[in-house]
Amino acid sequence: AQTVTQSQPEMSVQEAETVTLSCTYDTSESDYYLFWYKQPPSRQMILVIRQEAYKQQNATENRFSVNFQKAAKSFSLKISDSQLGDAAMYFCATGGSNYKLTFGKGTLLTVNP
Amino acid sequence: EAGVVQSPRYKIIEKKQPVAFWCNPISGHNTLYWYRQNLGQGPELLIRYENEEAVDDSQLPKDRFSAERLKGVDSTLKIQPAELGDSAVYLCASKPGFSTDTQYFGPGTRLTVL
Repeated sequence: AQTVTQSQPEMSVQEAETVTLSCTYDTSESDYYLFWYKQPPSRQMILVIRQEAYKQQNATENRFSVNFQKAAKSFSLKISDSQLGDAAMYFCATGGSNYKLTFGKGTLLTVNP
Repeated sequence: EAGVVQSPRYKIIEKKQPVAFWCNPISGHNTLYWYRQNLGQGPELLIRYENEEAVDDSQLPKDRFSAERLKGVDSTLKIQPAELGDSAVYLCASKPGFSTDTQYFGPGTRLTVL
């Protein structure tokens, strides 16, 4: 079984500053993936970043990067130079050999101008 | 490349009525998912298809929910009869083949049961 915990229901950040969203997970899988998805009010889930658990190097995608601590089962998302368009719900998810995603409850990010 | 298409975007029905949602995945994606997302929660899997075969329907409430993917392309999810607790967003996602590749989501259908 897999569980994902996002301990921050809401976060806010000033435009152009940096914010970190937290995620911890638990899984019995030895080979798994971790994802951050963004869900704006339009409801469409958009992939932000993806990390293979077997890779030690943290994934980065432009202004988005992760801090993957495998032993601690932690997978935080850092957003640098925050923009107004980054405002959304952010979901952490894990996927394994059962090919389904298990999501956390989400963190609502507000970006203040 | 077109993304995952879902219709309708919104649906309001009275309880005990039937309702159906349609999904057309990204071309070439063999795997199709239906998720339900309750308010303030992350999505939860209802059913997964590999081509036309439902390979994981353990979370689907089979007394009132049914799904089909007859030709291994588009899919329909049905609820009959709907209950108040079925109000949620129903998301469809797809990915290519047997792997833990990224799932691509459609815009969802927001169902309100009155």
